[in-house]
Amino acid sequence: DVVMTQSPLSLPVTLGQPASISCRSSQSLVYSDGNTYLNWFQQRPGQSPRRLIYKVSNRDSGVPDRFSGSGSGTDFTLKISRVEAEDVGVYYCMQGTHWPPSFTFGPGTKVDIK
Amino acid sequence: EVQLVESGGGLVKPGGSLRLSCAASGFTFSSYSMNWVRQAPGKGLEWVSSISSSSSYIYYADSVKGRFTISRDNAKNSLYLQMNSLRAEDTAVYYCARDSMDWWGQGTLVTVSS
Repeated sequence: DVVMTQSPLSLPVTLGQPASISCRSSQSLVYSDGNTYLNWFQQRPGQSPRRLIYKVSNRDSGVPDRFSGSGSGTDFTLKISRVEAEDVGVYYCMQGTHWPPSFTFGPGTKVDIK
Repeated sequence: EVQLVESGGGLVKPGGSLRLSCAASGFTFSSYSMNWVRQAPGKGLEWVSSISSSSSYIYYADSVKGRFTISRDNAKNSLYLQMNSLRAEDTAVYYCARDSMDWWGQGTLVTVSS
């Protein structure tokens, strides 16, 4: 099974400063069709998860452009160019390349304000 | 707008059963695969099960295989999760999510305790 890891697991940030979260997979996430099915999700306190980024670098509708995704193969990054107060929450990466048999989430990175 | 509304959660004793429902609206339900994802209290996200648009393909996480059954009724725009032989470790908020997890419901809490 594919294992997803994230670092750091906790990220205190200063408002207006950039933030970066790393996600690594135990196997390449490049699918046979050439796509890489790596998504990023945001879960604000008390809310349901929300997809931010799909296929590594594509922002979902309504997602601010301060969020960006990059990476390839087994190494991926979510960046927030300038952190705002509403960005507080837990961020998860998830692979869909090796589905079936399963989707796999990373452990999550908790972002809060210093 | 896409809406997913879960229901059916509650308190159940170990070994008991529960049936969750997810009512979908705002999109052509019969055209999309659907998923159940759960989140234990204070923990991360765990994929539980997926079902294809016509119910031809069904997948389960190893942790629930043989105990949970996913199903759908496209005429009623509804997704279901029948949970049997429940264990304490099944305690979680259960979310339904569309396709590649682009939309999520608000979740329903399942508590397994004597």
